[in-house]
Amino acid sequence: GEDVEQSLFLSVREGDSSVINCTYTDSSSTYLYWYKQEPGAGLQLLTYIFSNMDMKQDQRLTVLLNKKDKHLSLRIADTQTGDSAIYFCAELTDKLIFGTGTRLQVFP
Amino acid sequence: GAVVSQHPSWVICKSGTSVKIECRSLDFQATTMFWYRQFPKQSLMLMATSNEGSKATYEQGVEKDKFLINHASLTLSTLTVTSAHPEDSSFYICSARDGNTEAFFGQGTRLTVV
Repeated sequence: GEDVEQSLFLSVREGDSSVINCTYTDSSSTYLYWYKQEPGAGLQLLTYIFSNMDMKQDQRLTVLLNKKDKHLSLRIADTQTGDSAIYFCAELTDKLIFGTGTRLQVFP
Repeated sequence: GAVVSQHPSWVICKSGTSVKIECRSLDFQATTMFWYRQFPKQSLMLMATSNEGSKATYEQGVEKDKFLINHASLTLSTLTVTSAHPEDSSFYICSARDGNTEAFFGQGTRLTVV
């Protein structure tokens, strides 16, 4: 079945770049997403990438997709304290399956 | 982006009663809706996928008789937690797609069963 894994925790200094990694198992995924969830809140779609793309850049966000290795990453440039949240990757096949989530903590 | 309205945002109910959660797509037709459950500090666990006009497909381990899903129209899906117990207390989130790129999420329903 589908399995989407992420590292649990990432801590970075304000102004540095953050890289959050995600691995998935289902090669039939069509789209891959990154969502942000702040404490007690719902989900916010940050960005997505189509499975035939290698990279997508959107302002401070860069998504890299290695389809051969089934590896997805999200790079946040110039990380700010407001970026502190849980980040979920998700893959879309006939279902939308979420990763385990990475808690990003940004310290001054 | 498109809007998905989930109602109620929070509910407290007595053990043994049933609770209905609604998920509406306000400005698009949702051909597919997903229902998720999220425990504190954990990821979203897919409970079921529903396509308009057909029976929901439940994930392994999810009791279909306990979590009744109805997707009778292209803009509305409901999740009914029947005979709720304290262990059903959780954050429930719906998501709706129109067959294109993005899945839009409701703001979630926090259910507390006492």
